Amino acid sequence: GENVEQHPSTLSVQEGDSAVIKCTYSDSASNYFPWYKQELGKGPQLIIDIRSNVGEKKDQRIAVTLNKTAKHFSLHITETQPEDSAVYFCAAFSNDYKLSFGAGTTVTVRA
Amino acid sequence: GAVVSQHPSWVICKSGTSVKIECRSLDFQATTMFWYRQFPKQSLMLMATSNEGSKATYEQGVEKDKFLINHASLTLSTLTVTSAHPEDSSFYICSYSGVIAANEQFFGPGTRLTVL
Repeated sequence: GENVEQHPSTLSVQEGDSAVIKCTYSDSASNYFPWYKQELGKGPQLIIDIRSNVGEKKDQRIAVTLNKTAKHFSLHITETQPEDSAVYFCAAFSNDYKLSFGAGTTVTVRA
Repeated sequence: GAVVSQHPSWVICKSGTSVKIECRSLDFQATTMFWYRQFPKQSLMLMATSNEGSKATYEQGVEKDKFLINHASLTLSTLTVTSAHPEDSSFYICSYSGVIAANEQFFGPGTRLTVL
């Protein structure tokens, strides 16, 4: 099955700086890569996603890049704000029709 | 985005009792729903896939007789934890597949189960 690795496990940034989270996947057949934000005690919320036919996607301060050859994808948050503090999960949708999640990154934005 | 609700949001029960968690899709008729479990500071682990009108498919290592799933309608799926024990204490989250693309998943707010 699919194996998704996510780094770093924790990330502390100064407000206004950028945050980058990186993930790798193992199944070359995976074709959909969502990113979720989870606040304490709540369910994951989809913040951005990318499909295998696209290399980059941007939505305001959030962007995701995908390198299919290297099987890497990354989340970029610019101009971070305190409300960006949360746990972020990457995931990959593989040919077994399931989402495989990374271990998560706890992002803390220091005011 | 799509709206998913779960009830209850939290529950505390005694060891040996059964607990039912409901998951509803409020603006979409979902043919496929997913149940996940999340332990503190860990990632989401898929427990089972729930298909409307048919038996659920459980992941390896998940006891189907302990975690009963019923997907009786296109808007409601239930997870029943039978004879709960303290090790079943966890955060249970449901999700369902999107309309436009089957691989999109939208998650409910989760249910915190504590077994004493």
